[in-house]
Amino acid sequence: DQQVKQNSPSLSVQEGRISILNCDYTNSMFDYFLWYKKYPAEGPTFLISISSIKDKNEDGRFTVFLNKSAKHLSLHIVPSQPGDSAVYFCAARANAGGTSYGKLTFGQGTILTVHP
Amino acid sequence: ETGVTQTPRHLVMGMTNKKSLKCEQHLGHNAMYWYKQSAKKPLELMFVYNFKEQTENNSVPSRFSPECPNSSHLFLHLHTLQPEDSALYLCASSRGDSGANVLTFGAGSRLTVL
Repeated sequence: DQQVKQNSPSLSVQEGRISILNCDYTNSMFDYFLWYKKYPAEGPTFLISISSIKDKNEDGRFTVFLNKSAKHLSLHIVPSQPGDSAVYFCAARANAGGTSYGKLTFGQGTILTVHP
Repeated sequence: ETGVTQTPRHLVMGMTNKKSLKCEQHLGHNAMYWYKQSAKKPLELMFVYNFKEQTENNSVPSRFSPECPNSSHLFLHLHTLQPEDSALYLCASSRGDSGANVLTFGAGSRLTVL
């Protein structure tokens, strides 16, 4: 049972336009969500995160939106640049009680290609 | 060196071979992880170590044997693997294993089992 799903395997966007990457989850215990970016031949690197007490977090060109009722989050990149071309992984962790947290659960990734 | 370093970057082995993957982190982190990334699948957590002690084994077959001699080094010993074990194996580290900490990943070891 895949608890974190990225249903779009790939996304192609023109430079300067907005990229929207989507992620759905099923576990209502998830309370913290992260996006990682992975270039070929490199490991995933942390990009941006959001706590379940918020519905939006912004960092420069990157904004993550969280819709808890729909169990959906999205990553917006605007304006998109060719250097943003990479695989984007959504990840979530559950609150296991108090200050204990479960391990990260990852989605399968979305390949973003930004064309010049 | 800084960050998380994995060697070898590429490995081809037969099903009867014994090989090892190595991971080293220079971040002063206490927790280290092995993840498996197969094509078009999510990253799968395999093992977690915190202060050299294994804290999680995610039902990984015994043909994968982890070793963590200290907080900076992590190995994955491989023996009698199957072709379906071919994947990218990613090592990661974090300050603690509570899940509240951001993971820093290595570049991965691409394994092909013939």
